Amino acid sequence: EVQLVESGGRLVQPGRSLRLSCAASGFPFRGYTFRDYTFHWIRQFPGKGLEWVSGINGRGDTIRYGGSVQGRFTVSRDNANNSVYLQMNNLRLDDTALYYCAKDNAGDLESWGQGTLVTVSS
Amino acid sequence: VMTQSPLYLSVTLGQPASISCRSSQSLVHSDGNTYFNWFQQRPGQSPRRLIYKVSNRDSRFPDRFSGSGSGTDFTLKINRVEAEDVGIYYCAQGTNWPYTFGQGTKLEIK
Repeated sequence: EVQLVESGGRLVQPGRSLRLSCAASGFPFRGYTFRDYTFHWIRQFPGKGLEWVSGINGRGDTIRYGGSVQGRFTVSRDNANNSVYLQMNNLRLDDTALYYCAKDNAGDLESWGQGTLVTVSS
Repeated sequence: VMTQSPLYLSVTLGQPASISCRSSQSLVHSDGNTYFNWFQQRPGQSPRRLIYKVSNRDSRFPDRFSGSGSGTDFTLKINRVEAEDVGIYYCAQGTNWPYTFGQGTKLEIK
């Protein structure tokens, strides 16, 4: 089974930057390697609502962002090290959330990590 | 936009439960599949995929759970609620990026 472990979350001041990491293990999975899968970042706000943040395909050449983070966040991946990253710049108070990494299984989020908490506060 | 109802559900052990989710647009993909999912989030845990492509149950879950629906209207049913089912249930669509989620339905035991 694929395991996802997020890290990098912490308390940060508004306007500052943070980089989240997602380390994946358990590949090959069903005969497919890490580079065969699309990964997403999803965040959960303190009130429990879920919001899709960003997605990146296996080659890293198809990338999308949610409207609230477009222009501030950058997703990337390192297929040699089975990792996905989320660079977050110009953080705002409303970016405070638990950030999850999730593996896409062609239209569904099959595997989720345990999440890493980002708190933006002065 | 994904709209769930009810947002809160209080159920007696052993009784059935049902959650609805409606999408503001058809979730049928150009490839013919409908990428509609249900997730369960137990207290203190990450969300877990429960149902994918409308009616396919994740192997980690018992057959008490079932999904149905088409186009824009979908339903999650629990035949006989057990204590371990307590948590928040989210619907979500993966037909079009961005993935979008429902508001969540909190299930509690009466």
